Amino acid sequence: SAVISQKPSRDICQRGTSLTIQCQVDSQVTMMFWYRQQPGQSLTLIATANQGSEATYESGFVIDKFPISRPNLTFSTLTVSNMSPEDSSIYLCSAQRGQGGYTFGSGTRLTVV
Amino acid sequence: GENVEQHPSTLSVQEGDSAVIKCTYSDSASNYFPWYKQELGKGPQLIIDIRSNVGEKKDQRIAVTLNKTAKHFSLHITETQPEDSAVYFCAASYMGNQFYFGTGTSLTVIP
Repeated sequence: SAVISQKPSRDICQRGTSLTIQCQVDSQVTMMFWYRQQPGQSLTLIATANQGSEATYESGFVIDKFPISRPNLTFSTLTVSNMSPEDSSIYLCSAQRGQGGYTFGSGTRLTVV
Repeated sequence: GENVEQHPSTLSVQEGDSAVIKCTYSDSASNYFPWYKQELGKGPQLIIDIRSNVGEKKDQRIAVTLNKTAKHFSLHITETQPEDSAVYFCAASYMGNQFYFGTGTSLTVIP
């Protein structure tokens, strides 16, 4: 199964600034996914990122707030823009392992102050 | 769209006892059901999965059962150990496309 390296693992940011989260997969994958997990809650899909096309965003998430890049089949970034305390959360990337389940990165714990 | 419900939200068991977590789904087209374990400060880790053409799957102390008619599936952990303490998530998917996650179960195994 694919191994995903995600960084940073955590960060504390000032409101109004932006943070870019990176995910590197050890094998080529068609789709990568970005999730948000608020404290004590389940995972909410932010967007799906395919290489060579614009990301597809779920309801409630917009490109201006969460721009995503997918420059190749092993890498993706998610930027959390113009942050507010409500953006404090864990952000996770994942990739599909063949026809099976997702493999997840270790997550980025973001605190906005 | 799919709706996945998971129960219980918290579960405490004595070490050595069994733990059962149940999920129901709404979309009969869903055909892939993974279970994830998430330890504190880590991303979810796939522990077992089942496809709709199978009623039960077992991997050592972990088993998953699926009832397609009733649209529910369950995770069974036998001989629980303290290291089984974590949050467990179920999910449902059609053909491994978009996954819909349950709300999670916080399992505590008491030594």
